[in-house]
Amino acid sequence: AQTVTQSQPEMSVQEAETVTLSCTYDTSESDYYLFWYKQPPSRQMILVIRQEAYKQQNATENRFSVNFQKAAKSFSLKISDSQLGDAAMYFCAYRSGGAANAGGTSYGKLTFGQGTILTVHP
Amino acid sequence: DAGITQSPRHKVTETGTPVTLRCHQTENHRYMYWYRQDPGHGLRLIHYSYGVKDTDKGEVSDGYSVSRSKTEDFLLTLESATSSQTSVYFCAISERRASEKLFFGSGTQLSVL
Repeated sequence: AQTVTQSQPEMSVQEAETVTLSCTYDTSESDYYLFWYKQPPSRQMILVIRQEAYKQQNATENRFSVNFQKAAKSFSLKISDSQLGDAAMYFCAYRSGGAANAGGTSYGKLTFGQGTILTVHP
Repeated sequence: DAGITQSPRHKVTETGTPVTLRCHQTENHRYMYWYRQDPGHGLRLIHYSYGVKDTDKGEVSDGYSVSRSKTEDFLLTLESATSSQTSVYFCAISERRASEKLFFGSGTQLSVL
């Protein structure tokens, strides 16, 4: 079974600064997807960014980027120019990419890390 | 935002009572999931469905059952609620088997006293 570990229960950053959230995972699969979700106090789960394991290029979405190290099984999230609205719980998640197999049961099943609470100081 | 409605949004119940949580979607997505969120554990999959009347267990299914008689509704039942089932419950949906993106509902806060 796959596991996802976020070793930083809490992080803080000054507004306009850069912060990196860590995530490691364990899998024997070669085909998979990795995600970062944001959960603000509203409880809504918001997809921030995703990475396909077969792509060597790191994904980027505006101020959010990842450092994907496949051999090290590491998937960190970098938030640049932090804003007050970035304050939230952040979850790293893993999904098996073997959905094409007949009768496959990996239909969008996500394995989540424990979460990191990000505080942004003005 | 995807059309996912969870009800109720909050519920307080007593140990030993049955509880049913409802997830309703208007997207006509085939796949639906129930997760629970607990401090220190992130979100964990309880049950999921890949079609009407087609369901399977997730990693924390003990004490829970599900039903899906219509595409749009996915029910989660706690037959006899226990305090360990106090949690926030999320429903999620996805459109395709290979879909990478899950859409989540707003969650149900359940307290079992």
